Amino acid sequence: GESVGLHLPTLSVQEGDNSIINCAYSNSASDYFIWYKQESGKGPQFIIDIRSNMDKRQGQRVTVLLNKTVKHLSLQIAATQPGDSAVYFCAETDFGNEKLTFGTGTRLTIIP
Amino acid sequence: SQTIHQWPATLVQPVGSPLSLECTVEGTSNPNLYWYRQAAGRGLQLLFYSVGIGQISSEVPQNLSASRPQDRQFILSSKKLLLSDSGFYLCAWRVAGAGTDTQYFGPGTRLTVL
Repeated sequence: GESVGLHLPTLSVQEGDNSIINCAYSNSASDYFIWYKQESGKGPQFIIDIRSNMDKRQGQRVTVLLNKTVKHLSLQIAATQPGDSAVYFCAETDFGNEKLTFGTGTRLTIIP
Repeated sequence: SQTIHQWPATLVQPVGSPLSLECTVEGTSNPNLYWYRQAAGRGLQLLFYSVGIGQISSEVPQNLSASRPQDRQFILSSKKLLLSDSGFYLCAWRVAGAGTDTQYFGPGTRLTVL
């Protein structure tokens, strides 16, 4: 079936540096993508989303990039802080689909 | 604003015992509701979802069941727990038909079956 996967299961970044978390998706019909942050023992928290009619969207310290040609999604976090340490999941869906397909997650560790 | 509640927060149950986890959403009407399970260090597995009262779609055959007795209440149940039912159970909601597909998650229930 269709799936969303991540290139890197773990990532360590020095505090203050920028981080990039990658995600590959296989459903060419997907038109909506979300990044979630999950801290230990908590539910996933919405970070940012992007629709397929865009290739870039920015939030506070975060940017999501979408490359539909190669079916690749990335989350950039600028000036990382200790509170950014978490597992990050990408998710995708297509129009009319009631469900999201989640990637396996990347654990981001910020080194003080 | 909308809020989602889950209880209990943690639960330790013996094998073979029944289970009832509850999820409620406030501040919205007719949401889509979802139950996920997450094994330690793993991703999210969709178990059930509901688009309305009494409407349940099952994603994974197992000894779990779900019910939606009220518009903003979603219950996950089992008659006899297995060791493999241990995990972190997450409820999520989504506004139906509002042009956004974002799901918002509750705080989760940590279930340990011994």
